[in-house]
Amino acid sequence: AQSVTQPDIHITVSEGASLELRCNYSYGATPYLFWYVQSPGQGLQLLLKYFSGDTLVQGIKGFEAEFKRSQSSFNLRKPSVHWSDAAEYFCAVVAIIQGAQKLVFGQGTRLTINP
Amino acid sequence: KAGVTQTPRYLIKTRGQQVTLSCSPISGHRSVSWYQQTPGQGLQFLFEYFSETQRNKGNFPGRFSGRQFSNSRSEMNVSTLELGDSALYLCASRSRAGLLENTEAFFGQGTRLTVV
Repeated sequence: AQSVTQPDIHITVSEGASLELRCNYSYGATPYLFWYVQSPGQGLQLLLKYFSGDTLVQGIKGFEAEFKRSQSSFNLRKPSVHWSDAAEYFCAVVAIIQGAQKLVFGQGTRLTINP
Repeated sequence: KAGVTQTPRYLIKTRGQQVTLSCSPISGHRSVSWYQQTPGQGLQFLFEYFSETQRNKGNFPGRFSGRQFSNSRSEMNVSTLELGDSALYLCASRSRAGLLENTEAFFGQGTRLTVV
């Protein structure tokens, strides 16, 4: 079954430092992958998505992600984090379940920014 | 353009009661999906409605039901509430149903349901 694993439940980085959030997926064919961000008390906002083509994907707010088929990974990166990046981040894959497409989410990674 | 609106934002109910949550999608969007978010289970898909018809369904008991009206607004109902139903319920709207890779899902802020 298609699934997503985010190995890090909580990550703390200093403001201005670089960031990498890990995401591993399990899917037989070419996956459709997403990263969402959720600020406290808010819904989910799409950061970026990968469907095909260039394996390095640029998103909003200065984020990027790299699809690596050999490692079944889709890690999210940002060269320099800002205090406003503190939030929970979710990786998701489109899964075919009972013949219908659904978004399957990872458990999320909570990002804390130290001043 | 207004975003996805969910009402109410917060709700407290007693075990055994029923509850109805509402979601108004972005104007022009005809697909509405519902998700349950809990600390233990994370984000889980409940169901998707398009043009007043349920298109997809997640693995939830029959106590969870929904419907969609002709104006695309959707309601989700949970009957005989259990403590474990306490969660953030999120809805997402898309301009159309079909392949998820073709249309972005926009999420509302959610309704936080507490069952006591």
